[in-house]
Formats: sequence, C-alpha cells, structure tokens
Amino acid sequence: EDKVVQSPLSLVVHEGDTVTLNCSYEVTNFRSLLWYKQEKKAPTFLFMLTSSGIEKKSGRLSSILDKKELFSILNITATQTGDSAIYLCAVVDSNYQLIWGAGTKLIIKP
Amino acid sequence: KAGVTQTPRYLIKTRGQQVTLSCSPISGHRSVSWYQQTPGQGLQFLFEYFSETQRNKGNFPGRFSGRQFSNSRSEMNVSTLELGDSALYLCASSFSLAGWEQYFGPGTRLTVT
Repeated sequence: EDKVVQSPLSLVVHEGDTVTLNCSYEVTNFRSLLWYKQEKKAPTFLFMLTSSGIEKKSGRLSSILDKKELFSILNITATQTGDSAIYLCAVVDSNYQLIWGAGTKLIIKP
Repeated sequence: KAGVTQTPRYLIKTRGQQVTLSCSPISGHRSVSWYQQTPGQGLQFLFEYFSETQRNKGNFPGRFSGRQFSNSRSEMNVSTLELGDSALYLCASSFSLAGWEQYFGPGTRLTVT
C-alpha cells in the first residue's frame, strides 16, 4: 500500500532557529512530490519536486528530493513566528492521485 | 484572479441527513479535487473531477459522491450522515489533472450531531 510518512509529527523551536522537516514515501510509480503549508484552513502550495538533487528555494525555505532513498526534506532557516503552521507533504502517482502525509506541526516560539 | 470558493463555510447537520457542498474553482481551472481533513488524519482524498468526469476516487464509502458541471464548478454530496463525517472538507483546483500546483479553498466545516 502506498504511504507517505512525515517526521517529526510536531516540533517546537525558537525564532531564528533552522528546522528540517522530513517526508519519506513508498509509492508505486512516483511522479512528483509536493509541499504545502497550512496555517488556518486552506493549504498553500510551496514546492513541487520531480528530480533528485535539484534544490527548490523560496526565500528562507528550500526543499530537495532524493528519489533513490525515497525522501524529501523541507528546510526553513532563520525561522519566524509566521512560519508556525502544519507542513504537508504529498506524493503524486502515475494516475495523478495524491497520497498525503499526516503533516508536521511546527511551532515557533518568540 | 479570484481564488477557490467553497460554500457554505460552516454547516451543522444531524445523523441520517444528507448534505451538499459546493466548490467554485479558479477561473480557467478544469480539475477539482475534494479532501476530508480530520484532526490527526491529515488530508484524505475523496475524488477528483476533470472536465465533468470523475478521474480518481479515494477509499470512501458510496455515501460520498460528487459531480462537476460544465463551468467546472463541483458539488460533493454526503448521504445518511454519520458522526464520523464531522470534518473540514477542502476542495482544490488546478489547471490540469491534480498533481500539478493545486489551489485550495477555505473549506467547509461540517459538524454532525
């Protein structure tokens, strides 16, 4: 059965710290991996990764995919309280179906 | 460009009733996906519609159904509501089949009593 596992489930750090969120997967016929940030209601798109080793970067956020070891990481540097959210990872299979992880709840303390 | 809209935003129903939720995608988007989100469960995929056709379906009972209209607006129906159906229902639209960049609506919070 296809599955996506995120770790840790929750994380509390102080402002200014750097965090690394993990997403591992076992998905038949992988197509791409997506990262989303969910603050209150609607998740917002962060990154789509399809190729190994190519880092995607947006400001203080970056992400990379390892298709050999079947995982992705999401890095956030110099964290701010506004980064507090649930970070969701999803893998797209060849049928364009998304398999979602349970999310990592990140809390940034001032 | 207007975002994805969902109506109603909040809904309270009793067991055994049925409910219809509506989702209007971003203009030009042809794919609409529906998700159920409950605390600790993450996002559970319900189904996806593209050009009025159901393209993918998650592992939910037949009480959950949906449809898409020619203007890409989509509705989701849940019949014979159960307490466990209480959740946040999110829809997401994308230009092509789900898997590319999806834009989520604010969700409909359904409470079944």
